[in-house]
Amino acid sequence: GAGVSQTPSNKVTEKGKYVELRCDPISGHTALYWYRQSLGQGPEFLIYFQGTGAADDSGLPNDRFFAVRPEGSVSTLKIQRTERGDSAVYLCASSLGDTQYFGPGTRLTVL
Amino acid sequence: QKEVEQNSGPLSVPEGAIASLNCTYSDRGSQSFFWYRQYSGKSPELIMSIYSNGDKEDGRFTAQLNKASQYVSLLIRDSQPSDSATYLCAVAGYNQGGKLIFGQGTELSVKP
Repeated sequence: GAGVSQTPSNKVTEKGKYVELRCDPISGHTALYWYRQSLGQGPEFLIYFQGTGAADDSGLPNDRFFAVRPEGSVSTLKIQRTERGDSAVYLCASSLGDTQYFGPGTRLTVL
Repeated sequence: QKEVEQNSGPLSVPEGAIASLNCTYSDRGSQSFFWYRQYSGKSPELIMSIYSNGDKEDGRFTAQLNKASQYVSLLIRDSQPSDSATYLCAVAGYNQGGKLIFGQGTELSVKP
């Protein structure tokens, strides 16, 4: 079946702009996770959804970051007033049990 | 102290040798342990999970867990050039909803 998909694959934006990153999980997976990965580092947890609700948003770095999953499937990560330090690969993963399946990621570059 | 620590490498082994990758973690309440492989420019893919002390084997891969020492390792037997990648250790705590804490990854290079 289809895996986790993320769009766009690449996003270049200017400092101060607003961006939205989309994640389409594997059908039927109730849990959805967002991570951020900087070059040479492991993925860093941002937020976790169980169904429609954010069960743990402790990894969001500040209030410029927000994520939604209104129907319990697709999720959108929203970043306001982007900063150069937000540049990274944003990974989405979904799971039904313990195994998390990762999408291809969105590479965000803030100029 | 980082929550999950790995040697960043690179670790270089000849083809056919055993590659040994190590990881330590700080949270004694951690319950689930995972090894992911990440090729350059790609996303992580799960290769092994382990939950109990001891060894778990899957083909050429063996994961080892020692909760008393807060240590988990991955052995790759008969290493192949196609095993060249970054290996990420990830840990999930008790009642954390599956939230993974990753190490920085160890880069493995298998030389033909």
